[in-house]
Amino acid sequence: QQQVKQSPQSLIVQKGGISIINCAYENTAFDYFPWYQQFPGKGPALLIAIRPDVSEKKEGRFTISFNKSAKQFSLHIMDSQPGDSATYFCAATYGNKLVFGAGTILRVKS
Amino acid sequence: DTGVSQNPRHKITKRGQNVTFRCDPISEHNRLYWYRQTLGQGPEFLTYFQNEAQLEKSRLLSDRFSAERPKGSFSTLEIQRTEQGDSAMYLCASSLETGRNEQYFGPGTRLTVT
Repeated sequence: QQQVKQSPQSLIVQKGGISIINCAYENTAFDYFPWYQQFPGKGPALLIAIRPDVSEKKEGRFTISFNKSAKQFSLHIMDSQPGDSATYFCAATYGNKLVFGAGTILRVKS
Repeated sequence: DTGVSQNPRHKITKRGQNVTFRCDPISEHNRLYWYRQTLGQGPEFLTYFQNEAQLEKSRLLSDRFSAERPKGSFSTLEIQRTEQGDSAMYLCASSLETGRNEQYFGPGTRLTVT
């Protein structure tokens, strides 16, 4: 019940396209949903986050859509760029700890 | 740069040896977290401190693992009698004590046990 399921495992998008990564959870006690971006050999970097009382949050080219009734949330990267090529993790807060999805490897082709 | 720092960045050790990692959080953050990340997986929670108090430990943290944060500033994670299964990236994160729980991660320490 503490799992966060993430899909797809990998994603290839053309430059300028939209990248969409989806996550689903079961535990309704989760109360904070961040997305992290990780480059090889680096730690995860906080990208954007949302609380369950909000259905959408946008920061620049990154948008989180949140569906509380379906217990799903997604990350949309608009106008994807080669520099966005990285591994993306969704996460959810349970107590004071983050529970992470398994990650999505995004490759943006130029 | 006032981000989270971790040392060493890489550690290679032989099975059975003890290793210790250090984490320096963002200076005003009073919460500090340790996570472990294996290849192709998301980070997994190990333990967390609020100031110097260790408030939660995962079942992943066997009795060979110990973490301290003696003065509420930097933290150390020690692994005794290392095993090959301990090979992973050990990540430290810190956050303020607010409802937003925005955790900021350091670059990690890559441990290889041979």
